[in-house]
Amino acid sequence: QQQVKQSPQSLIVQKGGISIINCAYENTAFDYFPWYQQFPGKGPALLIAIRPDVSEKKEGRFTISFNKSAKQFSLHIMDSQPGDSATYFCAASKDSSASKIIFGSGTRLSIRP
Amino acid sequence: ETGVTQSPTHLIKTRGQQVTLRCSSQSGHNTVSWYQQALGQGPQFIFQYYREEENGRGNFPPRFSGLQFPNYSSELNVNALELDDSALYLCASSLDFSTDTQYFGPGTRLTVL
Repeated sequence: QQQVKQSPQSLIVQKGGISIINCAYENTAFDYFPWYQQFPGKGPALLIAIRPDVSEKKEGRFTISFNKSAKQFSLHIMDSQPGDSATYFCAASKDSSASKIIFGSGTRLSIRP
Repeated sequence: ETGVTQSPTHLIKTRGQQVTLRCSSQSGHNTVSWYQQALGQGPQFIFQYYREEENGRGNFPPRFSGLQFPNYSSELNVNALELDDSALYLCASSLDFSTDTQYFGPGTRLTVL
């Protein structure tokens, strides 16, 4: 059973456009929702994270929107750049743990110049 | 760079063999988590060690075992290798298992023939 469902599997966006990746979760005990960015040959790196007491968190061009009632959250990348081309994973954990993470299946993002 | 290193980079084994993968955490990081990332999938949590004790385990059989040492290094051992064990194995370290960011190493690519 997939606890964190991520879509789309792949995404192509023009440079300067907005990239949107969506995730849904089942377990209402989850209380930490990070997004990770992974480049080929590298391990995942934490991009931005949110806890369910807020509905939105913004860091630079990256924004997480969180809908607790719908059990959904999404990543928005504004003014997408070719350097943003990578695989993005949404994830979730419970008990405020930032390290026992349940990952989604990933979205391969390509930014066209 | 995250300051987390893993060795070896690549490894080829045959079915039924045993393998040991190594991770060197950032100095002072008391928590290490191990993940298995199959090709095209998100990482799956194997287990976590905190101050040399196992502190949580994912849905992996007992033939996956680990050790954490006082010098911030750790090992992942897999016995009786199966073809499905072929994957990228990632370790991630953090100061504390609760709320701190975890930093991933680049991974070890294991191929089981």
